[in-house]
Amino acid sequence: EDQVTQSPEALRLQEGESSSLNCSYTVSGLRGLFWYRQDPGKGPEFLFTLYSAGEEKEKERLKATLTKKESFLHITAPKPEDSATYLCAVLPGGSNYKLTFGKGTLLTVNP
Amino acid sequence: DVKVTQSSRYLVKRTGEKVFLECVQDMDHENMFWYRQDPGLGLRLIYFSYDVKMKEKGDIPEGYSVSREKKERFSLILESASTNQTSMYLCASGPGGRMVGELFFGEGSRLTVL
Repeated sequence: EDQVTQSPEALRLQEGESSSLNCSYTVSGLRGLFWYRQDPGKGPEFLFTLYSAGEEKEKERLKATLTKKESFLHITAPKPEDSATYLCAVLPGGSNYKLTFGKGTLLTVNP
Repeated sequence: DVKVTQSSRYLVKRTGEKVFLECVQDMDHENMFWYRQDPGLGLRLIYFSYDVKMKEKGDIPEGYSVSREKKERFSLILESASTNQTSMYLCASGPGGRMVGELFFGEGSRLTVL
């Protein structure tokens, strides 16, 4: 069974304090790994797609990386507006559409 | 900007009522999805549609049906609402092919069944 585990469940940082969120996965083949950001009471917002081990993507203070078993979302010098739940999802090799989502990491950045 | 619009942000219904949740996207996407999101359970797929009148069951289709009569519109129907269907319902649309996981979500419909 395909599984996605995100850690930690919650992370509290001070403004400017860099850290990483983890997404480990067990899937039969990997067609893609996707990161989303979700603000309270809203739908998730797509951030990045990673397709193969070694790939990296960056956007402002966020950088996503991928290995054969996990992905990291690195947050450099975060600001309070980066506070959100970050979701990771995988598209298994045998699926054309069905994503398996992790339960997310709730990030709080204090000023 | 891509827009996915869900018809109602908040609904309160009684057990046994029929509930319609509607979703419209403006990007001509082939794929549309209905998810529900519950604390501790994450996002779970209810139904998926890849074309007009075409649908596939997701992980939790029981108690739900869907309708896609036009490409831009995907409706979720609860035939007889029950209290365990109290949840946040999220509609999403997206392209096919390699970008199939790059979904655009609506703001969500929070349904309470009393």
